[in-house]
Amino acid sequence: NAGVMQNPRHLVRRRGQEARLRCSPMKGHSHVYWYRQLPEEGLKFMVYLQKENIIDESGMPKERFSAEFPKEGPSILRIQQVVRGDSAAYFCASSQRDSYGGPNEQFFGPGTRLTVL
Amino acid sequence: GEDVEQSLFLSVREGDSSVINCTYTDSSSTYLYWYKQEPGAGLQLLTYIFSNMDMKQDQRLTVLLNKKDKHLSLRIADTQTGDSAIYFCAENNQAGTALIFGKGTTLSVSS
Repeated sequence: NAGVMQNPRHLVRRRGQEARLRCSPMKGHSHVYWYRQLPEEGLKFMVYLQKENIIDESGMPKERFSAEFPKEGPSILRIQQVVRGDSAAYFCASSQRDSYGGPNEQFFGPGTRLTVL
Repeated sequence: GEDVEQSLFLSVREGDSSVINCTYTDSSSTYLYWYKQEPGAGLQLLTYIFSNMDMKQDQRLTVLLNKKDKHLSLRIADTQTGDSAIYFCAENNQAGTALIFGKGTTLSVSS
């Protein structure tokens, strides 16, 4: 059973370009979470999605960032007009259920390391 | 608001026990988690503890929870060089939609 897949693993963009990060959850998981890890920092929550729905985007910057999880295909985190401060590792996690009544066991992908030149 | 604090570094000798400490702020957290991150990799869930428990043991790992002091610890017995990694403590956010992570404790094991 394949784990959470993310691609690309490394992405280099120039300022002003767009970055598209993909995440395929574990088989049978319908909940996807995106986190950002800045150098020497812990992970910061960005957005929580279920199929075709954004459930919680309280951690997403108000501009340039968007996320989707379509009925078919991977979840996409899109960053428009990237700036140097967007350089970070972006991790996707998936779970089989939300935490209501039970532990929120999230399984993480290997991350996409975005470098903005 | 929710916050999780950890010491940043811990250095131990192979064979010794390691104890990684964490404090959290949200007393309503029902579960608390420990994750491990090896260099260049994603996070791996090590264990979690339900908030009405004081202790949970899983092979070489022991989790202690002091709910009154909002203090969580992870003890690794007989620490090995392969245990060298960053260890993150985490709690659920109030909405139950995400995890709140500490900055991580870098464990260095010398032989």
